[in-house]
Amino acid sequence: RKEVEQDPGPFNVPEGATVAFNCTYSNSASQSFFWYRQDCRKEPKLLMSVYSSGNEDGRFTAQLNRASQYISLLIRDSKLSDSATYLCVVRGNKLVFGAGTILRVKS
Amino acid sequence: DVKVTQSSRYLVKRTGEKVFLECVQDMDHENMFWYRQDPGLGLRLIYFSYDVKMKEKGDIPEGYSVSREKKERFSLILESASTNQTSMYLCASSSDRVREQYFGPGTRLTVT
Repeated sequence: RKEVEQDPGPFNVPEGATVAFNCTYSNSASQSFFWYRQDCRKEPKLLMSVYSSGNEDGRFTAQLNRASQYISLLIRDSKLSDSATYLCVVRGNKLVFGAGTILRVKS
Repeated sequence: DVKVTQSSRYLVKRTGEKVFLECVQDMDHENMFWYRQDPGLGLRLIYFSYDVKMKEKGDIPEGYSVSREKKERFSLILESASTNQTSMYLCASSSDRVREQYFGPGTRLTVT
């Protein structure tokens, strides 16, 4: 079983839609969680950290469910520029990256 | 802004060649990492270094070695390139082993 699992997608959504991704992790001792964004042929960049109480950054909301061992990312009012691969990252004694979920926002 | 640079964006090498991938960061970070990224597998850690001349194996170190002679520079070496090492190689640095990592633009290596 992979340490971090994501639905690879692609998620094809129209502009303005709300879309959500989940990510599950296997190590119950994991301490921190992140979402990274990777544009096509570019390097990954930190999008946001995920806190136990949930956190919001503009149109993006991240949540953590420790009991079920998953984190989620919700994107509201999708823009064309949101098209990218979203990587779930889990921290134990190192960072473990998921394989990513592809989002395509279409006009 | 943190800047991580890699020596080449694209590289084509022949089977059996020795390959050097160079990475330089300008933020005085102690920690540097080498990953490879393959479709469906995500980023897999090859090696990392937490100080000059220090290195630790990641999850897939076989066929690779590293060198860190200066704090800002971390090199990945493929002693004898093989076709299964065709991949995107990403270098990253961070101020702490488990804090945000800053990535270079990547080197797409093709071994023929």
